[in-house]
Formats: sequence, structure tokens, C-alpha cells
Amino acid sequence: DIQMTQSPSSLSASVGDRVTITCRASQGITNDLGWYQQKPGKAPKRLIYAASSLQSGVPSRFSGSGSGTEFTLTISSLQPEDFATYYCLQHKSYPRTFGQGTKVEIK
Amino acid sequence: QVQLVESGGGVVQPGRSLRLSCAASGFTFSNYALHWVRQAPGKGLEWVAVVLYDGINKYYADSVKGRFTISRDTSENTLYLQMDSLRPEDTAVYYCARDNWFDYWGQGTLVTVSS
Repeated sequence: DIQMTQSPSSLSASVGDRVTITCRASQGITNDLGWYQQKPGKAPKRLIYAASSLQSGVPSRFSGSGSGTEFTLTISSLQPEDFATYYCLQHKSYPRTFGQGTKVEIK
Repeated sequence: QVQLVESGGGVVQPGRSLRLSCAASGFTFSNYALHWVRQAPGKGLEWVAVVLYDGINKYYADSVKGRFTISRDTSENTLYLQMDSLRPEDTAVYYCARDNWFDYWGQGTLVTVSS
């Protein structure tokens, strides 16, 4: 099984800050990675697919990069509505595996 | 528009069974694999199972293998999750999600396993 290690598990940031979240795969997954945002009591929402493709309707301040085993989600200028938990998910093989999540909190 | 609506959650005793449903609309059901994902209270997301578009090929997380069965009914545009031998650690919100990079999710249904 492919393990996904996501870091940090939480972070505190201010509106306007640049935020970076990292996921590391235990083996190469080419670009088969997605990023998801979840707000309390809501279903996850897809932000990024194929490592760097932005979901339609998602603000351009979100971006994804990486391939192989190292991936990054960047929020270029944090907005109030971005405070949430973020997960990576590998789509390379079964079982699918999520990262542990990163909770982005207000500083 | 694409919609996924889960139902069937509730409170059940350990060792008992429950069947979840996910009614799909707004897309060609038979063209997509469909997944179940769960989230225990206060915890992260855990992938549970997938059934491919053909309804034949299925994969499960080790934590549910042999106890849960995923299936789909193309005539009803509905995904199912039969959960047997339930354990307290199966307590979670269960989501269905469409393949294609998990582009659409249902709202979730809560399953509580408790005596």
C-alpha cells in the first residue's frame, strides 16, 4: 500500500499569508495526486487534481505542484474562507490513501 | 447537475448489519467508478471501498475487507455499502464520491455503532 505523509498537521496563519502544505508518498505516484478542502460539518471539496490542475471555480490563489513522491499545495494569499482542513489523496493504486490532514487556523 | 445523496445511516449495535445507499443523478451512472469514504468523529478521511464502472471489480480497505460489500445497481442509479459485523470503530460519517479524481461527493450519512 502507498502511504501518504502530510505535513504539517496544523498551522496558524494570518489573512494574506502564503501557506504551503506538503505530501510525501512512500513510492512514486507520478502526478496521481489530488488536494481537497474540508470545512466543519461539510463534505470535502476537490481543489486540485493530477497534482497541479486547478478545479474549475477554485480561486487561482490555490496551486499544486510536484510529481513522483513530493507534492505541495500552496495558498498564495490566505483568505478568511480558506480556514479549513486540507487533505491529499493518491489516485495511483488501490487502496486509495489520504494524508492525515492539515488544519489551517487563524493566527 | 451531478448529485449524490446518501441514506441509511443510524445507530446500530456491535455485530449487527446496516446497508447504506447513495442515489446518483445528473450523470451517466454506468460510466464511473464510485467510492465510499468515511470519517470518524474528529478524525481524518479514510477510503473504504470502490466499485468500478463494470460493477464487477471491487477493492476494499483492509479495515473493512470481509465485513463490508460494495455494489451498484445501474437500473436504479444507486450505490450501496452492505456493512456486516459492525464494530464501534466503524462509527463515522460515510460519504460516497464519484471517481474522476473524487470530483463530486455526497453530504454524508452518520453511522454510530454502540450498545
